[in-house]
Amino acid sequence: SQQGEEDPQALSIQEGENATMNCSYKTSINNLQWYRQNSGRGLVHLILIRSNEREKHSGRLRVTLDTSKKSSSLLITASRAADTASYFCATPYTGANSKLTFGKGITLSVRP
Amino acid sequence: DTEVTQTPKHLVMGMTNKKSLKCEQHMGHRAMYWYKQKAKKPPELMFVYSYEKLSINESVPSRFSPECPNSSLLNLHLHALQPEDSALYLCASSQERGSLGRGTEAFFGQGTRLTVV
Repeated sequence: SQQGEEDPQALSIQEGENATMNCSYKTSINNLQWYRQNSGRGLVHLILIRSNEREKHSGRLRVTLDTSKKSSSLLITASRAADTASYFCATPYTGANSKLTFGKGITLSVRP
Repeated sequence: DTEVTQTPKHLVMGMTNKKSLKCEQHMGHRAMYWYKQKAKKPPELMFVYSYEKLSINESVPSRFSPECPNSSLLNLHLHALQPEDSALYLCASSQERGSLGRGTEAFFGQGTRLTVV
């Protein structure tokens, strides 16, 4: 079963614009993670936000978390063509049996 | 070295073949995972190994047989697959089974693109 649900499913923007992707989840979490996947290859971890954090930055990435709404957003500022990829939010189940469950993903296309 | 290496990158096999996918990491991680990903879908968990023991099997058909010979290696043995098993198979690792929930990341290999004919 999928824990995270991203929207929009697909996003097309011009280079230099900002891209905002949203993720909603269902159960309680200790943290939420965002991953990126280029052209159906491996996933790369982008950023992790803990349940007691509201906002976190890493370079051109900004992630927010609203545990009351069970939602998170990922903002990529000043997008580049190289940011074209699929982006997934992922939530690990809490406890010893933690495993990552991914949302449906967002396909971002950045036009040069 | 923060790399997870998967071989082969591509594999085409017939429905009567037996093949194996391999995954290797040298980060000292004690949890390793197999995911299956169909086109335009998110990765779906298949198996979790913790300290070389199978800890989660997500009701995967027996034609997929995982093996963890040591803490650095993870194999996925394939036998009598169906065309619908064609997918990208991803291996991942993390510090240990519970570490994802405590705030560590998973490291993924580049995947094996499997085609069953």
